[in-house]
This record gives sequence, C-alpha cells and structure tokens, in this order.
Amino acid sequence: AQSVTQLDSQVPVFEEAPVELRCNYSSSVSVYLFWYVQYPNQGLQLLLKYLSGSTLVKGINGFEAEFNKSQTSFHLRKPSVHISDTAEYFCAVSPSGGSYIPTFGRGTSLIVHP
Amino acid sequence: KAGVTQTPRYLIKTRGQQVTLSCSPISGHRSVSWYQQTPGQGLQFLFEYFSETQRNKGNFPGRFSGRQFSNSRSEMNVSTLELGDSALYLCASSKEGAGGVETQYFGPGTRLLVL
Repeated sequence: AQSVTQLDSQVPVFEEAPVELRCNYSSSVSVYLFWYVQYPNQGLQLLLKYLSGSTLVKGINGFEAEFNKSQTSFHLRKPSVHISDTAEYFCAVSPSGGSYIPTFGRGTSLIVHP
Repeated sequence: KAGVTQTPRYLIKTRGQQVTLSCSPISGHRSVSWYQQTPGQGLQFLFEYFSETQRNKGNFPGRFSGRQFSNSRSEMNVSTLELGDSALYLCASSKEGAGGVETQYFGPGTRLLVL
C-alpha cells in the first residue's frame, strides 16, 4: 500500500519569493514520484517526475524537486514565483515497473500575492 | 495537435440513474486513464485502458466500469448513481502506456452532479 502526505494545504507567498511545497510518501515497494499542477477549472498538467537516476529533477515552468529516499520525501521548489503560478499542486506516487496505479496527496494550494 | 477532449463537460443526474462519460485521447495515444476528483476523497485513480483492454484498476465498486474502442476513444459508465458520485471525472491519455514512464495528458474533465 502507498500513501502520500502533502504537509501544507495552503501556501501563501509573495511574487518573486522562493517557495517549497512539501510531499512525503510511504510505500513498501520502489516508486515513481510525480508533481502535477491544476489551474482553476482545468485538468492536471505534469510538472515533473522522478523515475530513477539523479535525485534532482527539473520540470516545466522553472520548478524542480528533489527525491530523498531516506526521508521518503519529494519536495517541490521554485526560486522565484509568479502570479501565474497560483494553482493547486498535487504530489503522486506509483509503484515502479509495470503497473501504473497512482496515489495522490490531498493537494497544496499555492497562492501568490503581488 | 488537438488535446484530450471530454464530453459532456457538465452533467446533472438523479440518484439511481446511470451515466456514460466519453473521452477522446490525443491522436496516436493508445492508453486512457480515468480519475475521480472530489473535495472529500481528493484525486483517485479509477482505471486504465490500453489497446481496448483494462490494464489497471483502482479501488472502486463494480458500479464503475469502462471500455475502450479500437480508435482508442474511451467511455466510462457509472450505474445506480449515488450522491457521493458527484465529482469531477478526469481522463488522461498517453502514447504507449501509463506505466509511469510515459507522460499523461489530461482533459478538462466532466463535472457530474448527482441530485
């Protein structure tokens, strides 16, 4: 069984400030890790994913995430946010290998203030 | 290239009825996955179809079913609707499979309200 915990339900931040959205997971097997963004009234968009290799993953829109196996974390970071980054962000985990059965966190609402 | 399309975008049904939602994947994509999003349960994986076969399934009752046609279009059906089925239903497609390696592209969703 897998579970994902997004530690903050809401993160307010000022424009051009750095931000970190936290994600911790639990799994008895090796996993793939994902971050998705959902803008209002839209579907999800993949920001980045960790499958294997380098633990620092770079994604779209200037986001990056670091996989920390010992702490079972996959925190999302951006050095300087824009108003347009205001959205809901979801962390997800899936068993690595053949079966893609993702488990999502409850989401973190990033609110960027001018 | 057209994105993933879902129809209808909005739907209102009453308890006990059944509903069918449709998803057209991006051209050339053979995998279609369905998700349910509710305020209470969050985002949950329903099932994945690849080449007309259900390949993976989440933890949902048998009232939730789906199918995929030879052109990769997919339909999802919910029978005997309950109030708790009110949700945003999202469809996503990918090329060869959603085994984590392939990027999924999501549609805008169908918002279902059960009264």
